[in-house]
Amino acid sequence: GENVEQHPSTLSVQEGDSAVIKCTYSDSASNYFPWYKQELGKRPQLIIDIRSNVGEKKDQRIAVTLNKTAKHFSLHITETQPEDSAVYFCAASTHGGSARQLTFGSGTQLTVLP
Amino acid sequence: GAGVSQTPSNKVTEKGKYVELRCDPISGHTALYWYRQSLGQGPEFLIYFQGTGAADDSGLPNDRFFAVRPEGSVSTLKIQRTERGDSAVYLCASSLRAAGGVSGELFFGEGSRLTVL
Repeated sequence: GENVEQHPSTLSVQEGDSAVIKCTYSDSASNYFPWYKQELGKRPQLIIDIRSNVGEKKDQRIAVTLNKTAKHFSLHITETQPEDSAVYFCAASTHGGSARQLTFGSGTQLTVLP
Repeated sequence: GAGVSQTPSNKVTEKGKYVELRCDPISGHTALYWYRQSLGQGPEFLIYFQGTGAADDSGLPNDRFFAVRPEGSVSTLKIQRTERGDSAVYLCASSLRAAGGVSGELFFGEGSRLTVL
């Protein structure tokens, strides 16, 4: 089955700096890679996703890059703000004739220091 | 309702007891997932329903865990003879189609926190 590894487990940045979180996956058939943000005690919420037919996707201060050859993908947050502080999870999914489940990474606790 | 609803939000039980956790997905969502999240970990897949049938139950840890979705909407996760290691937040998610496909975004509920004493 799919295995997703995520680094770092914790990340502290100064407000206004950039943050980068990296994930690797094992199943070369995986073709969908979402990122979820989870605030303390809250539900995970999708912030951005990318499919394997593109290498990069951007949405305002958030971008995701995908390297299919190396089987890794990264989340980039620019101009970080205190409200970006949360746990971020990457995930990978294979979609074939019958869609499958997401496999999540172990999470990155991002702290943005004011 | 507008989002995925899970009840109870908190459940404390004693070792060996039986527990049911309920999930009410977003109306019209055909795919429903159960995940388990332990402290400091990512959600761990348990089971996936497409409609009424369990399309993938490979994540259920053992035969003490069972889930149903008899009418293709509400789902119940059932845990028999609970153990202390079952303590976690149980998350339910639904999507319009299955994850990864078109309209495959997962919408999570707030979770049911289970504590087994």
